[in-house]
Amino acid sequence: KQEVTQIPAALSVPEGENLVLNCSFTDSAIYNLQWFRQDPGKGLTSLLLIQSSQREQTSGRLNASLDKSSGRSTLYIAASQPGDSATYLCAVKEGSNFGNEKLTFGTGTRLTIIP
Amino acid sequence: SQTIHQWPATLVQPVGSPLSLECTVEGTSNPNLYWYRQAAGRGLQLLFYSVGIGQISSEVPQNLSASRPQDRQFILSSKKLLLSDSGFYLCAWRPGRSFNEKLFFGSGTQLSVL
Repeated sequence: KQEVTQIPAALSVPEGENLVLNCSFTDSAIYNLQWFRQDPGKGLTSLLLIQSSQREQTSGRLNASLDKSSGRSTLYIAASQPGDSATYLCAVKEGSNFGNEKLTFGTGTRLTIIP
Repeated sequence: SQTIHQWPATLVQPVGSPLSLECTVEGTSNPNLYWYRQAAGRGLQLLFYSVGIGQISSEVPQNLSASRPQDRQFILSSKKLLLSDSGFYLCAWRPGRSFNEKLFFGSGTQLSVL
């Protein structure tokens, strides 16, 4: 059974700093991995999707990396801003079974950027 | 552009009452549709998904059901709510053509069963 872990559960950093969020998964046979952002009481916004054949994806100040063999992904946020404050979740799509639509989510890291 | 609408945003229901949450997607056709539940302190749990009209797959046995009466409409229902049904319910969609497509979520419904 796939398990996704995000540590730490909460993180506070001063504005302007670069930071890294971590995601680990137990079964390396994944199809892809997504990073999401969730604001309090809101839905999730997909930030980046990394296919299993890819090592990283970039969007603006965000960079996500994937190391399947070690079961890890990181989300790097450069020059953090107060607007980056949110909960960040990672989710893995397992295997290549066409009928398997399930994403396994971590419980997230709650990020607070201190002005 | 594609948009997803989910309503209501907040719902307070007594135990034993029925439930109907609705989700619609605009600007796309034949999307894959999903219902997730997010309980406090826990990860998101996939409840149902649909790859086409009338096609519903359930990931976990529960007190809930789902229906897809139209291509871009997905409904989550219950005949009798339980206390354990409380949570944050999220509808989502993605293009059906590939698994390597991002998942787009609605704004969620906070359901409190009292």
